[in-house]
Amino acid sequence: AQSVTQLDSHVSVSEGTPVLLRCNYSSSYSPSLFWYVQHPNKGLQLLLKYTSAATLVKGINGFEAEFKKSETSFHLTKPSAHMSDAAEYFCVVTHASGGSYIPTFGRGTSLIVHP
Amino acid sequence: GAVVSQHPSRVICKSGTSVKIECRSLDFQATTMFWYRQFPKKSLMLMATSNEGSKATYEQGVEKDKFLINHASLTLSTLTVTSAHPEDSSFYICSAPHHRDGYTFGSGTRLTVV
Repeated sequence: AQSVTQLDSHVSVSEGTPVLLRCNYSSSYSPSLFWYVQHPNKGLQLLLKYTSAATLVKGINGFEAEFKKSETSFHLTKPSAHMSDAAEYFCVVTHASGGSYIPTFGRGTSLIVHP
Repeated sequence: GAVVSQHPSRVICKSGTSVKIECRSLDFQATTMFWYRQFPKKSLMLMATSNEGSKATYEQGVEKDKFLINHASLTLSTLTVTSAHPEDSSFYICSAPHHRDGYTFGSGTRLTVV
């Protein structure tokens, strides 16, 4: 069994300040982990992914995440928030089932960026 | 990157009618497609997994007779909401696994049943 916990439903930051979106997971196997961003009424866009290579993963738009096995965490960070970063962010872990890899979503974290 | 094209983006239908949502994988073959439903301010709920050439696998609590899924080719999967009711109004998103991009998502379909 596996699960994903996004610890904060909302994160509010000022433009230009750092962003931290927290994600913890549980998985019976070596997981693949992803962060996706969703803007209002849009589909999901891949920010970055971890698939057992380098533990520090760099993604698009200046985001990065570090896989910490000892802490079962995969937190998303960005040094300086931009107004356009305001969106919903989902942490995702995958597991194998019947030959398919099924993604399990966290509940999402809404990032609010103040001018 | 890999693209999944989802149509329509928005649809309004009358109660009791059926609505078909299409997802096409562009430039890659999708033997598997995931269908999600997203309620306001909520995460994505997996409804079913479609596999090309075989029956879809539905998650517990999802009515297979109401949400018909067909995956007739390696690039096309469809979700038909039959006899739609206002409680079916939601945001539906498809997703296909991709070897390079992880999971590629369609842009979503906003269904409103009046």
